[in-house]
Amino acid sequence: DARVTQTPRHKVTEMGQEVTMRCQPILGHNTVFWYRQTMMQGLELLAYFRNRAPLDDSGMPKDRFSAEMPDATLATLKIQPSEPRDSAVYFCASGMGGADNQPQHFGDGTRLSIL
Amino acid sequence: AQSVTQPDIHITVSEGASLELRCNYSYGATPYLFWYVQSPGQGLQLLLKYFSGDTLVQGIKGFEAEFKRSQSSFNLRKPSVHWSDAAEYFCAVGPKTSYDKVIFGPGTSLSVIP
Repeated sequence: DARVTQTPRHKVTEMGQEVTMRCQPILGHNTVFWYRQTMMQGLELLAYFRNRAPLDDSGMPKDRFSAEMPDATLATLKIQPSEPRDSAVYFCASGMGGADNQPQHFGDGTRLSIL
Repeated sequence: AQSVTQPDIHITVSEGASLELRCNYSYGATPYLFWYVQSPGQGLQLLLKYFSGDTLVQGIKGFEAEFKRSQSSFNLRKPSVHWSDAAEYFCAVGPKTSYDKVIFGPGTSLSVIP
Protein backbone atom coordinates (compact mmCIF):
# COMPACT_ATOMS: atom_id res chain seq x y z
CA ASP A 1 0.00 0.00 0.00
CA ALA A 2 1.18 3.50 -0.77
CA ARG A 3 1.94 5.51 2.33
CA VAL A 4 2.75 9.03 3.40
CA THR A 5 6.21 8.98 4.96
CA GLN A 6 7.25 11.43 7.63
CA THR A 7 10.71 11.93 9.11
CA PRO A 8 11.84 12.05 11.80
CA ARG A 9 9.28 10.14 13.85
CA HIS A 10 10.53 11.72 17.05
CA LYS A 11 12.49 14.89 17.73
CA VAL A 12 13.65 16.30 21.03
CA THR A 13 15.54 19.57 21.03
CA GLU A 14 16.10 22.67 23.08
CA MET A 15 14.18 25.85 22.63
CA GLY A 16 15.69 28.23 20.13
CA GLN A 17 16.87 25.45 17.83
CA GLU A 18 15.69 25.06 14.27
CA VAL A 19 13.46 22.08 13.59
CA THR A 20 12.80 20.63 10.15
CA MET A 21 10.16 18.01 9.52
CA ARG A 22 9.87 16.22 6.22
CA CYS A 23 7.06 14.52 4.39
CA GLN A 24 6.99 12.34 1.29
CA PRO A 25 3.44 12.36 -0.06
CA ILE A 26 1.90 9.46 -1.92
CA LEU A 27 3.08 9.45 -5.50
CA GLY A 28 0.55 11.15 -7.74
CA HIS A 29 -1.25 13.06 -5.00
CA ASN A 30 -1.52 16.74 -5.80
CA THR A 31 -2.44 18.11 -2.37
CA VAL A 32 -0.34 18.08 0.78
CA PHE A 33 -1.48 19.16 4.24
CA TRP A 34 0.33 19.89 7.49
CA TYR A 35 -1.56 19.42 10.76
CA ARG A 36 -0.62 19.85 14.38
CA GLN A 37 -2.21 17.73 17.09
CA THR A 38 -2.21 18.61 20.78
CA MET A 39 -4.34 17.50 23.67
CA MET A 40 -5.68 21.01 24.19
CA GLN A 41 -6.37 22.05 20.60
CA GLY A 42 -6.94 18.74 18.89
CA LEU A 43 -6.11 18.55 15.18
CA GLU A 44 -5.30 21.92 13.62
CA LEU A 45 -4.66 22.59 9.96
CA LEU A 46 -1.45 24.61 9.61
CA ALA A 47 -1.05 24.84 5.85
CA TYR A 48 -1.67 23.05 2.61
CA PHE A 49 -0.34 22.94 -0.92
CA ARG A 50 -1.83 21.99 -4.24
CA ASN A 51 0.46 21.14 -7.13
CA ARG A 52 3.31 22.41 -4.90
CA ALA A 53 1.81 25.89 -4.58
CA PRO A 54 0.81 27.08 -1.12
CA LEU A 55 -2.94 27.63 -0.97
CA ASP A 56 -3.52 28.43 2.66
CA ASP A 57 -1.17 28.89 5.57
CA SER A 58 -3.49 30.91 7.76
CA GLY A 59 -3.26 28.34 10.54
CA MET A 60 0.47 28.69 10.84
CA PRO A 61 2.36 31.17 13.06
CA LYS A 62 4.14 33.17 10.38
CA ASP A 63 6.92 34.52 12.49
CA ARG A 64 8.52 31.17 13.21
CA PHE A 65 6.93 28.55 10.97
CA SER A 66 7.50 28.01 7.28
CA ALA A 67 6.27 25.34 4.89
CA GLU A 68 7.60 24.53 1.45
CA MET A 69 7.44 21.92 -1.30
CA PRO A 70 10.81 21.90 -3.06
CA ASP A 71 9.49 19.22 -5.39
CA ALA A 72 6.49 16.95 -5.79
CA THR A 73 8.01 14.25 -3.59
CA LEU A 74 9.00 16.39 -0.62
CA ALA A 75 7.22 18.78 1.71
CA THR A 76 8.96 20.45 4.63
CA LEU A 77 7.78 22.23 7.74
CA LYS A 78 10.35 24.33 9.59
CA ILE A 79 10.22 26.00 12.97
CA GLN A 80 12.85 28.63 13.75
CA PRO A 81 13.30 29.41 16.55
CA SER A 82 11.43 26.64 18.31
CA GLU A 83 9.59 27.20 21.59
CA PRO A 84 8.24 24.77 24.22
CA ARG A 85 4.66 25.57 23.14
CA ASP A 86 5.49 24.04 19.74
CA SER A 87 5.65 20.60 21.36
CA ALA A 88 3.05 18.51 19.58
CA VAL A 89 2.60 15.78 17.00
CA TYR A 90 2.84 17.11 13.47
CA PHE A 91 1.07 15.19 10.74
CA CYS A 92 1.43 15.39 7.02
CA ALA A 93 -1.40 14.17 4.82
CA SER A 94 -1.77 13.93 1.06
CA GLY A 95 -4.58 13.38 -1.37
CA MET A 96 -6.13 14.25 -4.68
CA GLY A 97 -8.09 17.48 -4.61
CA GLY A 98 -10.40 18.87 -7.21
CA ALA A 99 -13.86 18.18 -8.51
CA ASP A 100 -13.90 14.60 -7.35
CA ASN A 101 -12.51 14.71 -3.86
CA GLN A 102 -10.63 11.82 -2.41
CA PRO A 103 -9.93 11.43 1.29
CA GLN A 104 -6.65 12.46 2.79
CA HIS A 105 -4.05 9.84 3.70
CA PHE A 106 -2.08 10.58 6.82
CA GLY A 107 1.50 9.84 7.76
CA ASP A 108 2.38 8.53 11.20
CA GLY A 109 3.49 11.93 12.41
CA THR A 110 6.53 13.58 13.94
CA ARG A 111 6.38 13.79 17.72
CA LEU A 112 8.18 16.99 18.63
CA SER A 113 9.34 17.91 22.12
CA ILE A 114 10.91 21.30 22.76
CA LEU A 115 12.70 21.52 26.09
CA ALA B 1 -20.01 28.70 11.15
CA GLN B 2 -18.75 25.34 10.01
CA SER B 3 -18.11 22.90 12.83
CA VAL B 4 -18.06 19.28 13.85
CA THR B 5 -19.20 18.12 17.26
CA GLN B 6 -18.48 14.78 18.85
CA PRO B 7 -20.47 14.91 22.09
CA ASP B 8 -18.68 12.03 23.78
CA ILE B 9 -15.09 12.68 24.80
CA HIS B 10 -14.58 9.15 26.04
CA ILE B 11 -16.59 5.94 25.79
CA THR B 12 -15.98 2.57 27.41
CA VAL B 13 -17.62 -0.58 26.11
CA SER B 14 -17.21 -4.28 26.79
CA GLU B 15 -15.75 -6.48 24.13
CA GLY B 16 -18.54 -7.94 22.03
CA ALA B 17 -20.94 -5.12 22.81
CA SER B 18 -22.34 -2.82 20.17
CA LEU B 19 -20.93 0.68 19.63
CA GLU B 20 -22.29 3.97 18.41
CA LEU B 21 -20.16 7.11 18.23
CA ARG B 22 -21.99 10.34 17.63
CA CYS B 23 -21.11 13.09 15.21
CA ASN B 24 -23.03 16.27 14.45
CA TYR B 25 -22.01 18.94 12.02
CA SER B 26 -22.87 22.45 11.03
CA TYR B 27 -22.26 23.19 7.38
CA GLY B 28 -23.66 25.41 4.63
CA ALA B 29 -24.41 22.57 2.23
CA THR B 30 -24.40 18.80 2.30
CA PRO B 31 -20.79 18.04 2.98
CA TYR B 32 -18.45 15.20 2.29
CA LEU B 33 -18.33 13.19 5.53
CA PHE B 34 -15.60 10.99 6.95
CA TRP B 35 -14.71 8.88 9.93
CA TYR B 36 -11.06 8.32 10.79
CA VAL B 37 -9.45 6.17 13.46
CA GLN B 38 -6.16 6.87 15.20
CA SER B 39 -4.32 4.18 17.09
CA PRO B 40 -1.67 5.25 19.61
CA GLY B 41 1.47 6.55 17.95
CA GLN B 42 0.00 6.41 14.50
CA GLY B 43 -1.63 8.70 12.00
CA LEU B 44 -5.29 8.85 11.13
CA GLN B 45 -6.68 6.02 9.02
CA LEU B 46 -9.83 6.42 6.97
CA LEU B 47 -12.64 4.14 8.13
CA LEU B 48 -15.33 5.25 5.71
CA LYS B 49 -16.71 8.19 3.77
CA TYR B 50 -20.02 9.50 2.55
CA PHE B 51 -20.19 11.50 -0.61
CA SER B 52 -23.69 10.89 -1.97
CA GLY B 53 -26.23 8.13 -2.56
CA ASP B 54 -27.09 5.50 0.01
CA THR B 55 -27.07 7.13 3.41
CA LEU B 56 -25.78 4.00 5.10
CA VAL B 57 -22.14 3.47 4.25
CA GLN B 58 -19.94 0.54 5.01
CA GLY B 59 -16.31 0.89 5.96
CA ILE B 60 -13.34 -1.14 6.93
CA LYS B 61 -13.01 -3.21 10.11
CA GLY B 62 -16.76 -3.86 10.26
CA PHE B 63 -17.77 -0.23 10.81
CA GLU B 64 -20.71 1.52 9.25
CA ALA B 65 -22.12 5.02 9.46
CA GLU B 66 -25.47 6.56 8.67
CA PHE B 67 -25.95 10.05 7.28
CA LYS B 68 -29.10 11.76 8.53
CA ARG B 69 -29.59 15.07 6.82
CA SER B 70 -32.51 16.13 9.02
CA GLN B 71 -30.38 15.68 12.13
CA SER B 72 -27.08 16.85 10.64
CA SER B 73 -25.58 13.68 11.99
CA PHE B 74 -23.19 11.02 10.79
CA ASN B 75 -22.98 8.45 13.56
CA LEU B 76 -20.53 5.56 13.46
CA ARG B 77 -21.62 2.09 14.49
CA LYS B 78 -20.23 -1.37 14.96
CA PRO B 79 -22.35 -4.35 16.05
CA SER B 80 -19.63 -6.12 18.05
CA VAL B 81 -16.54 -4.37 19.33
CA HIS B 82 -13.14 -6.05 19.47
CA TRP B 83 -10.35 -5.15 21.88
CA SER B 84 -8.30 -3.93 18.93
CA ASP B 85 -10.91 -1.23 18.25
CA ALA B 86 -9.66 0.78 21.23
CA ALA B 87 -8.46 4.03 19.67
CA GLU B 88 -9.37 7.65 19.02
CA TYR B 89 -12.11 8.25 16.47
CA PHE B 90 -12.50 11.45 14.48
CA CYS B 91 -15.44 12.63 12.46
CA ALA B 92 -14.68 15.12 9.70
CA VAL B 93 -16.56 17.16 7.12
CA GLY B 94 -15.42 18.84 3.96
CA PRO B 95 -16.74 20.46 0.80
CA LYS B 96 -17.61 18.19 -2.08
CA THR B 97 -15.90 20.10 -4.82
CA SER B 98 -12.64 21.04 -3.24
CA TYR B 99 -10.12 19.76 -0.80
CA ASP B 100 -10.16 22.94 1.14
CA LYS B 101 -10.65 23.08 4.86
CA VAL B 102 -11.64 19.62 5.90
CA ILE B 103 -12.83 20.17 9.46
CA PHE B 104 -12.11 17.54 12.08
CA GLY B 105 -14.10 16.97 15.23
CA PRO B 106 -12.39 16.85 18.63
CA GLY B 107 -12.37 13.07 18.69
CA THR B 108 -13.89 10.34 20.86
CA SER B 109 -11.58 8.06 22.77
CA LEU B 110 -12.80 4.46 22.88
CA SER B 111 -11.75 2.02 25.58
CA VAL B 112 -12.68 -1.66 25.36
CA ILE B 113 -13.04 -3.82 28.46
CA PRO B 114 -12.06 -7.45 27.89
